[in-house]
Amino acid sequence: DAMVIQNPRYQVTQFGKPVTLSCSQTLNHNVMYWYQQKSSQAPKLLFHYYDKDFNNEADTPDNFQSRRPNTSFCFLDIRSPGLGDAAMYLCATSSGSEGWGYEQYFGPGTRLTVT
Amino acid sequence: AQTVTQSQPEMSVQEAETVTLSCTYDTSENNYYLFWYKQPPSRQMILVIRQEAYKQQNATENRFSVNFQKAAKSFSLKISDSQLGDTAMYFCAFKIARDDKIIFGKGTRLHILP
Repeated sequence: DAMVIQNPRYQVTQFGKPVTLSCSQTLNHNVMYWYQQKSSQAPKLLFHYYDKDFNNEADTPDNFQSRRPNTSFCFLDIRSPGLGDAAMYLCATSSGSEGWGYEQYFGPGTRLTVT
Repeated sequence: AQTVTQSQPEMSVQEAETVTLSCTYDTSENNYYLFWYKQPPSRQMILVIRQEAYKQQNATENRFSVNFQKAAKSFSLKISDSQLGDTAMYFCAFKIARDDKIIFGKGTRLHILP
């Protein structure tokens, strides 16, 4: 089945130790998104790619970076995780076209714990 | 700027009852899309239903239907014959056609009680 895959599902890192979360998709969608979601809150968009074009949200901390080496993969790098970065990180994709109804397809998320 | 408001942080209903979740939004755009997403406990977010603003007919997906009132900027979700598996966080979301981003409301936590 076509899907959005996130690895790992659970990640524990130490305060200040860089960590990379990965997302891959088999939907061949143009748009990929990274969200941060804290408990019982709505997802907060960090950034998104339309193909290779990177779009950063104004309030995304510099500590968060992303790479999209090809259509299928997208990575979230947290350079120096703080305790406040502990959260669920969601990857989503969208075709970016009306034909697919602009629906976003979400991965299962990576739960990041910072110790 | 676009905003999405869900005024019910939490709701509980008995199994088999009908429940309506409220959502209002604010925009000056004409071409937009509205969504309800469901996020079950510890499971991934999935789309429940979608409504194109240019369509007057309310969207329906099995037990899920919406009441889309464009002039009032209201987009409520009705769940009929609720089931235990409907227990989840429900997010109302909004998207302008020309923008890649969607805007989420804060969510309504729905509990279906046996």
